[in-house]
Parts: sequence; C-alpha cells; structure tokens
Amino acid sequence: QSALTQPRSVSGSPGQSVTISCTGSSSDVGGYNYVSWYQQHPGKAPKLMIYDVSKWPSGVPDRFSGSKSGNTASLTISGLQAEDEADYYCCSYAGTYTWVFGGGTKLTVL
Amino acid sequence: EVQLVESGGGLVQPGGSLRLSCAASGFTFRNYDINWVRQAPGKGLEWVSYISSSSNTIYYAASVKGRITISRDNAKNSLYLQMHSLRAEDTAIYYCARVRAAYSFDYWGQGTLVTVSS
Repeated sequence: QSALTQPRSVSGSPGQSVTISCTGSSSDVGGYNYVSWYQQHPGKAPKLMIYDVSKWPSGVPDRFSGSKSGNTASLTISGLQAEDEADYYCCSYAGTYTWVFGGGTKLTVL
Repeated sequence: EVQLVESGGGLVQPGGSLRLSCAASGFTFRNYDINWVRQAPGKGLEWVSYISSSSNTIYYAASVKGRITISRDNAKNSLYLQMHSLRAEDTAIYYCARVRAAYSFDYWGQGTLVTVSS
C-alpha cells in the first residue's frame, strides 16, 4: 500500500480557516467511510481529531471538521488558534484489518 | 483514565531481536482490538500490525511481515510485539493504539524508541 498524499505544509493566521487534503485510491479513502485524522504536537503521541470521515471524538472542538469526495478526504480547521500548530495525519482503513496513513502535514499558525 | 504504556525499546544491532510491551489500564482490555503504529525519526506514521480482542485475527504490514509477531495476554492487560531480523529502517518510535468501534485509533501510548544500529 502506498501512503496517502497530503501537502507537506499549510499555514494560516489566527482566526482564519485552513484545509488539509488527503488523497488515496478506491482501495482506501474512496472505498470506505473510515477516514480519521490525527494531531501530533512535537514529542507527543498522536491524538484522534476526526473519525468516520466527519465525526468528532468527545472533547474535540467543532472547529475541526472532516469531509470526503471520491478518493480525497479533507480536514478543515476554522478559527485557527496558536495551539492548533502541529502535524496532522490522515488515515484510512484499507480493508482486511489494514490501515494506511498519509505522509503528514505541518500546520503553521502565522 | 485510559492508559497505554509501551516499554522494551532500546538500541539493537542489525539482525537482532527485541520484544516490545504495551501495558493497558483504565478500560476492559479484552474487549478491544489493538494496533502497533510506528514513526521513524522525523517521518510520518506507519501502521505496523493489528490484533483482534481475542487474538483470533492478526495482520501485518508488508514491510514487517515475517519478521514481527504480535500477541496479547488479556489476563495481564498486555500487548506484545516480538521483532526479529531487525534492520536500520525499523528504527522508529513504536506506539500501541486502541481501535475504537469505527476503525480509528482513539487512545495511543507515549511510544517506545527502537534504534537499530551497529
């Protein structure tokens, strides 16, 4: 399986919105509604932010939203805050109890 | 509070072996599927292996298949990863991650670093 494709970096100013894309194939992103997104601050473990394409785990603010169209999923962060600066990874179920991650996107809050 | 605590990482020579452990607490371990996910230094996340709650179903990534064995002991609330024939490219932080109902990973440990080098 090839890693999902994410932009290496995105940036935005406080209060703005940014969108991170995640492109896969019909074998993963396009084939299942099981895309999840993870936030990782330096030196920390990943944290689940979105699951099932667009659902929020308890405690995650609704400033984070997810969507999917065809083989591409997206994470949108609205009302950017300084603490949102982190690496973000998408992940898709790829069938038969296997998963594939994206290469990661570094979000810089200007 | 759900906790996953990995241990067992360290420096190992190429071709060597290592056994990682993940101790779980704060939830009914035997009811949950668990995965290992790794992250090479400065790189992205890579799914490594899956084990179902009862150990009936196990899968491995192609990059580690044949060199790694996942197992668990539900009586001890523990998950294991036995690694053999280690290569430099296996150098990474290894995380255990709990699978929530919908194929995502809702809790992660802090990770344990494996360094394969002579």
